Amino acid sequence: GENVEQHPSTLSVQEGDSAVIKCTYSDSASNYFPWYKQELGKRPQLIIDIRSNVGEKKDQRIAVTLNKTAKHFSLHITETQPEDSAVYFCAASRGNYGGSQGNLIFGKGTKLSVKP
Amino acid sequence: DAGITQSPRHKVTETGTPVTLRCHQTENHRYMYWYRQDPGHGLRLIHYSYGVKDTDKGEVSDGYSVSRSKTEDFLLTLESATSSQTSVYFCAIGRGDTQYFGPGTRLTVL
Repeated sequence: GENVEQHPSTLSVQEGDSAVIKCTYSDSASNYFPWYKQELGKRPQLIIDIRSNVGEKKDQRIAVTLNKTAKHFSLHITETQPEDSAVYFCAASRGNYGGSQGNLIFGKGTKLSVKP
Repeated sequence: DAGITQSPRHKVTETGTPVTLRCHQTENHRYMYWYRQDPGHGLRLIHYSYGVKDTDKGEVSDGYSVSRSKTEDFLLTLESATSSQTSVYFCAIGRGDTQYFGPGTRLTVL
C-alpha cells in the first residue's frame, strides 16, 4: 500500500532562517498532497495543499513544491518566527476518484523548533 | 473548525472495559474518519465512513469497531480496552479532497 516518508524528524532553526521539510510517497496514483501543522495539545490544521497538476504553490511565507517524477514534495517556510514552532505532517492521497474520497496517508511528522 | 466536536475530551479507563468515543459534525459531510496519534507514528487511520451505515477498515482497525446511524455522528468503540490503545484519538471530516480534524480525545487505559 501507499507509504509516505518524511524527513527530518526534528529541525531546529534560528528565527529568520528558512526551513525545509521533505516527503516522498510510493503510490504513483496519488494526486493530492496536504500539509498540516499541529501545535502542542492541539488538533492538526491544514496550512497548505497541492495537487498533482501543479508544481508549486505559495501562501505568504510558506510554499510547497511537488516533483511527480521523483515522487517527492517539500514544504518551505521562509523568515521563520517562533510561532512557527510545531509538528508538521505531510500526507498523500488519490484524492476524489470514482466518486469516492481517497484516504490520506500521513508521514510521521517533523518537529520544528524556531529559536529566537 | 469545520463544526466538529468530540466527546469526551479526556477519559481514563481500566483494561477490559468498553469505551465509546463520539464524533459530531454540524455540516452534513458524507465522509468521516477516526485516527489515532502516537509518538513516532504520526496519524494512523482506524476506520472511516462514507455515509450512514457505510463504514470500512483503515490501517489499524484491530480492536476497534465503529457505527454511523446518523450523518452527524460517528462512534468509535473499544469493545475491551487494552493498554496499547492508550492514545490521542482524532475524528476528521472530509470536505472535497481535504480533511479537517476535531479537537481530539485523550484516552488512557490503565
